[in-house]
Amino acid sequence: GAVVSQHPSWVICKSGTSVKIECRSLDFQATTMFWYRQFPKQSLMLMATSNEGSKATYEQGVEKDKFLINHASLTLSTLTVTSAHPEDSSFYICSASNDREQFFGPGTRLTVL
Amino acid sequence: AQSVSQHNHHVILSEAASLELGCNYSYGGTVNLFWYVQYPGQHLQLLLKYFSGDPLVKGIKGFEAEFIKSKFSFNLRKPSVQWSDTAEYFCAVNRMDSSYKLIFGSGTRLLVRP
Repeated sequence: GAVVSQHPSWVICKSGTSVKIECRSLDFQATTMFWYRQFPKQSLMLMATSNEGSKATYEQGVEKDKFLINHASLTLSTLTVTSAHPEDSSFYICSASNDREQFFGPGTRLTVL
Repeated sequence: AQSVSQHNHHVILSEAASLELGCNYSYGGTVNLFWYVQYPGQHLQLLLKYFSGDPLVKGIKGFEAEFIKSKFSFNLRKPSVQWSDTAEYFCAVNRMDSSYKLIFGSGTRLLVRP
């Protein structure tokens, strides 16, 4: 299957700071990328759908001003958690789509102190 | 709203036992179906997928799943589990008319005792 990377794999930050997470499709061009959030022992919750060159589509209840998504190229999407708070601590996972199937990154564990 | 239900939240089996994990979805149109596995501390991996054709799908590591359209089900099976199958299993569905968004079930945590 295709390879998707995320960077960083884990990050610890202070409350009020912003954190950027990168998602890259390494061996194919992804017109669509997705961002998920996974709480401990829970399923993946879709946050937003990111299309190259256009604004992201956010799921209901997800604050677009807090979770900024930029899909700058067909191989890179970034998620910036702005003014992070402890409740934003979670496991963030991205996926890249080839229009039929999604390939998942390894995830980024964010801890906000 | 479209949903995906996994009935078993926790399953405990002994090695060599047979496994069946249930998955039902609520959308009436054409769907693609997936089972993913997440081993402890690792990322999601695709076990198998169904797009069309033979409703009995074989995946990696001896897993298989059967799509029964009339029951809106896509149950995962393995005839003989191993300790290394201890993981969390997620069923996921996407609608052919959506933007390939995946709807995930709540997951089933499988513990295989040696």
